[in-house]
Amino acid sequence: GENVEQHPSTLSVQEGDSAVIKCTYSDSASNYFPWYKQELGKRPQLIIDIRSNVGEKKDQRIAVTLNKTAKHFSLHITETQPEDSAVYFCAACTINAGNMLTFGGGTRLMVKP
Amino acid sequence: DSGVTQTPKHLITATGQRVTLRCSPRSGDLSVYWYQQSLDQGLQFLIQYYNGEERAKGNILERFSAQQFPDLHSELNLSSLELGDSALYFCASSVGRADTQYFGPGTRLTVL
Repeated sequence: GENVEQHPSTLSVQEGDSAVIKCTYSDSASNYFPWYKQELGKRPQLIIDIRSNVGEKKDQRIAVTLNKTAKHFSLHITETQPEDSAVYFCAACTINAGNMLTFGGGTRLMVKP
Repeated sequence: DSGVTQTPKHLITATGQRVTLRCSPRSGDLSVYWYQQSLDQGLQFLIQYYNGEERAKGNILERFSAQQFPDLHSELNLSSLELGDSALYFCASSVGRADTQYFGPGTRLTVL
């Protein structure tokens, strides 16, 4: 089955700096890669996703890049703000083969004001 | 608010007991997914239903079962509960079988 590794497990940045979180996946059939933000005790909230026919996607301060050859995708957050502090999860799945998400272990992002 | 609702929010019970968690998907969504989030195992997929039928199964224990009803709400039944079953249980829904998943607020289960 799919295995997703996520790094780093914790990340501390100053407000205004950029943050990068990286994930690798094992199953070359995976073709959908969402990122979720989870605040303490709350639901995972989708912040951006990318499908395998696209190499990069941006939404304001958030961008995701995908390298299918290396089986690697990354989340980039620019101009970080204290409200970006949360745990971020990457996930991978094969659409039309069950759509079950396999999650990475999570990254705790702390943005210091 | 994702539009996915889950009840109850919190559940405290004893080992050996049985509980039922309920999920109502977003209006128009046909797929329902169940995930377990624990400190040691992270977020793990349990099971998916699409329009009343089981679609995919993950690391779901035999003591756990689920179903999706004609009105599309779903229930996750956990029996012979053990201390290790204490976790956050999330339901997610999507429009079809292969679309973006939106998570509900979760049910926190504590087994004493």
